[in-house]
Amino acid sequence: GNSVTQMEGPVTLSEEAFLTINCTYTATGYPSLFWYVQYPGEGLQLLLKATKADDKGSNKGFEATYRKETTSFHLEKGSVQVSDSAVYFCALYIYGGATNKLIFGTGTLLAVQP
Amino acid sequence: ETGVTQSPTHLIKTRGQQVTLRCSSQSGHNTVSWYQQALGQGPQFIFQYYREEENGRGNFPPRFSGLQFPNYSSELNVNALELDDSALYLCASSLRTGKETQYFGPGTRLLVL
Repeated sequence: GNSVTQMEGPVTLSEEAFLTINCTYTATGYPSLFWYVQYPGEGLQLLLKATKADDKGSNKGFEATYRKETTSFHLEKGSVQVSDSAVYFCALYIYGGATNKLIFGTGTLLAVQP
Repeated sequence: ETGVTQSPTHLIKTRGQQVTLRCSSQSGHNTVSWYQQALGQGPQFIFQYYREEENGRGNFPPRFSGLQFPNYSSELNVNALELDDSALYLCASSLRTGKETQYFGPGTRLLVL
């Protein structure tokens, strides 16, 4: 079946540290891949996306590359800020028939300390 | 451009009651999806509506039902509430293209006592 696996948190970093949050997926067909971010008490915000293999999504200093050969979509940022503290969700989307839905990982909590 | 809005923001109900949650889709979008997010978990797909018809359903019982209106807004109805229905309910809208992106509202937090 289709699924997403994320590294477990929490991830605790100091400000300006490098961030990597691992995400791997299992999917039939050709999914689009997403990272969403959820700040405390809020809904989900789209952070970035990639719709085909080798695409790189980027936004606000965050990047992720769609790697079909390793079925991965790892999130990276070169220098995190306290304001990046949130829960990050990796998700895949497959269109067709009864599977028109986002499938999410369990989320990774990022805590950035000053 | 108006984003996805949901109402109410918070709701407290007792076991056995019924609840209706509302969602207004983003301008230009024709598809609405509903998700349930339990505390500490990732969102789980409930169902999706496209052109006023249910188009895909997750592993939720029939007491979870929905509607989509001609203006593409949507309702989620839950009957016979159970304690485990306590969660954040998220609505997402999109424009059906085959490679669409879903944009989420702020959610409705439901507490069942």
